[in-house]
Amino acid sequence: SYVLTQPPSVSVAPGQTASITCGGYNIGAKSVHWYQQRPGQAPVLVVYDDYDRPSGIPERFSGSNSGTTATLTISRVEAGDEADYYCQVWDSNSDHWVFGGGTKLTVL
Amino acid sequence: EVHLVESGGAVVQPGGSLRLSCAASGFTFDDYTMHWVRQAPESGLEWISLINWDGSSIDYGDSVKGRFTISRDNSKNSLYLQMTSLRSEDTALYYCTKDLTSGNYHRGFDYWGQGTLVTVSS
Repeated sequence: SYVLTQPPSVSVAPGQTASITCGGYNIGAKSVHWYQQRPGQAPVLVVYDDYDRPSGIPERFSGSNSGTTATLTISRVEAGDEADYYCQVWDSNSDHWVFGGGTKLTVL
Repeated sequence: EVHLVESGGAVVQPGGSLRLSCAASGFTFDDYTMHWVRQAPESGLEWISLINWDGSSIDYGDSVKGRFTISRDNSKNSLYLQMTSLRSEDTALYYCTKDLTSGNYHRGFDYWGQGTLVTVSS
């Protein structure tokens, strides 16, 4: 089955840029979606199809995807961005959705 | 406004059964593929099942295949998950969620319920 690998944690100071990676075999050939999950809340889609944002998501959230790594980038990080972030892809070989293990973003 | 409200979570003994429901509103329910996603305590997200708009296409994650059954009633704007042969590792918060777009485009899940808690314990 397809595996997505994320770092368990990323730390960043307020106002700086956070980059959260998601690794997978030839992930550049897939569409990657990203979710934010604040403590005690349901996940929220923040980026879909590698770099598109749903309405209401700030432009500070952006994405890229190439080769074996997709990246969620959060610019001008705020305290409210502290959350767990998950990447997700559709694995057409198994007809299954796959989530990465999640990355805890800490705002210092 | 879109709302997804799960219900049916409970404490159940190993080997037991449970049926979860998800009431949907604020969108044309029968246009969208729907999903169940679960999250074990202090763990990540796990996709467990999908059902397309008319129920003709269904799939399950490996951990629940053969034990869980997804279904929908478009006349009631409702999604269901029948769970049997429950195990301790099925203990989790179960979310109902919908595809971002109608059709078969795999563009992620845009709305989620708040989840219903299933605890499997003797």
